[in-house]
Amino acid sequence: DQQVKQNSPSLSVQEGRISILNCDYTNSMFDYFLWYKKYPAEGPTFLISISSIKDKNEDGRFTVFLNKSAKHLSLHIVPSQPGDSAVYFCAARPTSGTYKYIFGTGTRLKVLA
Amino acid sequence: DAGVTQSPTHLIKTRGQHVTLRCSPISGHKSVSWYQQVLGQGPQFIFQYYEKEERGRGNFPDRFSARQFPNYSSELNVNALLLGDSALYLCASSLNAVGYTFGSGTRLTVV
Repeated sequence: DQQVKQNSPSLSVQEGRISILNCDYTNSMFDYFLWYKKYPAEGPTFLISISSIKDKNEDGRFTVFLNKSAKHLSLHIVPSQPGDSAVYFCAARPTSGTYKYIFGTGTRLKVLA
Repeated sequence: DAGVTQSPTHLIKTRGQHVTLRCSPISGHKSVSWYQQVLGQGPQFIFQYYEKEERGRGNFPDRFSARQFPNYSSELNVNALLLGDSALYLCASSLNAVGYTFGSGTRLTVV
């Protein structure tokens, strides 16, 4: 039962344009959502998070939007840079326990120079 | 500052063997979690420890066990290895349970 879903396994974007990565969830009992970036041979790197009581959080080129009614969150990267090419995972933290994250399957972003 | 360090980086074991993976958290982080990432999937939660106590366990068999030491480092043990245990094992530490910092992982191959 995949509670956090990333339905696009890959995405290609031209340098300088906007990258939009999407994530859907099926359980309303999450209090935090996070995005991680992963390069090959490295562990995931925390990018940005959003509390379930907010609908937007911005940090530099990265903005996360949360639509609770649609159970959908998205990560916007503007402008996209070649160094952003990586696998992006969304993750959700259940309210029932702060001890674990549930990850999606990831989206591979390729930013073309 | 040192990040989360894991050892070894790569490991090859035979079916039925036992393996121990090690993790040192960021200095000051008292919470350590373990995740398994199979190729093409996202990380799956195995365990979380806080102040040497198990705070959570994922849907993994009893062959998987872990512990946390007084210096907050941690070990993950897997007994009776199966081919399906081949994966990247990630350790993560946190100060406040939001925004875990992950290590680079241990790549375990079971043959």
